[in-house]
Amino acid sequence: EVQLVESGGGLVQPGGSLRLSCAASGFTFRSYWMSWVRQAPGKGLEWVANINQDGNDKYYVDSVKGRFTISRDNAKNSLYLQMNSLRAEDTAVYYCARDHWYRFSSDFDYWGQGTLVTVSS
Amino acid sequence: DIVMTQSPDSLAVSLGERATINCKSSQSVLYSSDNENYLAWYQQKPGQPPKLLIYWASTRESGVPDRFSGSGSGTDFTLTISSLQAEDVAVYYCQQYYSTPPTFGQGTRVEIK
Repeated sequence: EVQLVESGGGLVQPGGSLRLSCAASGFTFRSYWMSWVRQAPGKGLEWVANINQDGNDKYYVDSVKGRFTISRDNAKNSLYLQMNSLRAEDTAVYYCARDHWYRFSSDFDYWGQGTLVTVSS
Repeated sequence: DIVMTQSPDSLAVSLGERATINCKSSQSVLYSSDNENYLAWYQQKPGQPPKLLIYWASTRESGVPDRFSGSGSGTDFTLTISSLQAEDVAVYYCQQYYSTPPTFGQGTRVEIK
């Protein structure tokens, strides 16, 4: 059974940093592109970033470029999102998702339960 | 970026009746090289992550009931629930994966009338 379990969310002040983790199991993690997708409270879905199988190809939504960094450790079956210079508008539930297809843009066939990031003073 | 626009924002349908949700993309998501529409549909229930229902505009994900169907091509797409069940109350999103960034519609809330 495919499982994605996020951790690392919490309350952080504007300008602060946070590192999210996603532990994957039930599939061959190193074979898949992976993404982070976020959802602000009561709002819709926004894709944040993705990373290819070996970690050498990464894409970001414009609003987080230069502030967020996606990475992975295939030996640990883990995906990460380092978030710096956080803003109030980054407040959201952050989902780890498995990309359905082996390309730079995909739909998402498995999702974690999400971890809440709140940016507030 | 490709903008995805859904209509309506919400709809109320009687149990057993048909529900239809529309999704329009700001540019075509039909890839000429493989003749596939790079369009997916998701269902999200309160407090849960989204669930993939349909990909390639009309292919049902494994385990999804056949009352859910997708249609359309190019820039105009439709998700149809042929006979609404109580468990279908949710927000539904379309998403394009033709180009990066992948983008979602704003969502359509489906309720029971």
